[in-house]
Amino acid sequence: EVQLVESGGGLVQPGGSLRLSCAASGFTFSSYWMSWVRQAPGKGLEWVANIKQDGSEKYYVDSVKGRFTISRDNAKSSLYLQMNSLRAEDTAVYYCARDHPGGIEYGMDVWGQGTTVTVSS
Amino acid sequence: DIQMTQSPSSVSASVGDRVTITCRASQGISSWLAWYQQKPGKAPKLLIFAASSLQSGVPSRFSGSGSGTDFTLTISSLQPEDFATYYCQQANSFPLTFGGGTKVEIK
Repeated sequence: EVQLVESGGGLVQPGGSLRLSCAASGFTFSSYWMSWVRQAPGKGLEWVANIKQDGSEKYYVDSVKGRFTISRDNAKSSLYLQMNSLRAEDTAVYYCARDHPGGIEYGMDVWGQGTTVTVSS
Repeated sequence: DIQMTQSPSSVSASVGDRVTITCRASQGISSWLAWYQQKPGKAPKLLIFAASSLQSGVPSRFSGSGSGTDFTLTISSLQPEDFATYYCQQANSFPLTFGGGTKVEIK
């Protein structure tokens, strides 16, 4: 079964750091672009970042540039999001998603269940 | 950045109704548009990719059309399990962006 399982969310103070992980199974992880997408409470979806199969290309939404870093370990079939200098507006459910086999132009076809990040003092 | 505008923001409909949701891009995105369905407390689910291609396993009552800046998601005969929020997403250029969502509610 194709599956993505996120972990690492929690409560953190403003200015703090958190590292999210996403464990992939049931498919050849190293063959896919991967993304992080977040959803603030009661709000819509916001793409955060994605990373090429070999990690050579990474893209970010402007609001997290310089604070968040996406990375992957293909040997461990795992995706990561290092989040530093966290702000209240980063509070959201963070989803790990697989980009479509046809390429990033085709959307994201597999999603994890999400992990909740709350930034509050 | 490419802005995605969905309309309506919500729609009330009955089982069996035909429902149409529109999505407009602030600039041309060719056919690089995806549609997702999200139910409360759940992850989004890909319905349509490349504007009109049905994702595997998605019922044929869902269809997508459009190119350039104007796109449409149609549910031909609404079923009870279709009550959810629907999002469009442009995949033409970074940053990838989503529409604000359309909530399909029971009438």
